[in-house]
Amino acid sequence: DAKTTQPNSMESNEEEPVHLPCNHSTISGTDYIHWYRQLPSQGPEYVIHGLTSNVNNRMASLAIAEDRKSSTLILHRATLRDAAVYYCILRDVEAGNNRKLIWGLGTSLAVNP
Amino acid sequence: DAGVIQSPRHEVTEMGQEVTLRCKPISGHNSLFWYRQTMMRGLELLIYFNNNVPIDDSGMPEDRFSAKMPNASFSTLKIQPSEPRDSAVYFCASSWEGREKLFFGSGTQLSVL
Repeated sequence: DAKTTQPNSMESNEEEPVHLPCNHSTISGTDYIHWYRQLPSQGPEYVIHGLTSNVNNRMASLAIAEDRKSSTLILHRATLRDAAVYYCILRDVEAGNNRKLIWGLGTSLAVNP
Repeated sequence: DAGVIQSPRHEVTEMGQEVTLRCKPISGHNSLFWYRQTMMRGLELLIYFNNNVPIDDSGMPEDRFSAKMPNASFSTLKIQPSEPRDSAVYFCASSWEGREKLFFGSGTQLSVL
């Protein structure tokens, strides 16, 4: 399974943009890039996913490098409620029934008021 | 929609006792996942079901752990006998096969003394 590398922690100020990086140099052509986040004392929450093109939704944007070996989750205006652990995960869609997501330890994002 | 419902929210038990964790997936979802989260190892997939059938249980630590899904709206994870090293937060998640988004419950905090 392809692995991801993320910084252990990052810090941001409220109402500023946040760019959370993820390296996945061994990504295969059929790996989707997923992002989840986990707020304190809660289960993980889906944020966004993509394959090749950049993606936008109401929560965030996902920028995928042209070679797909890295990606960046962009929170356009951080709020205190965005303080969480952010996980970047790969899933091989050609793995048949294998729905495994291999989770790393993620990036702990602190948002300063 | 009530989301994925797990019970109990907290469980404290003594070593050697049987522990049963329960999960009700989101109605209409046909994939169900059991995860365990610890500080040291992060989120680990224990087992997942597709259409009530166990597909991959390679993450189940040992024979003391068992999981069942008797119908589409209910699953259990049982530990017998429990040990202190089983102390962790156990999450259940569900999804619709073919969709990339997982929905997690709030988890069960298990403490084995």
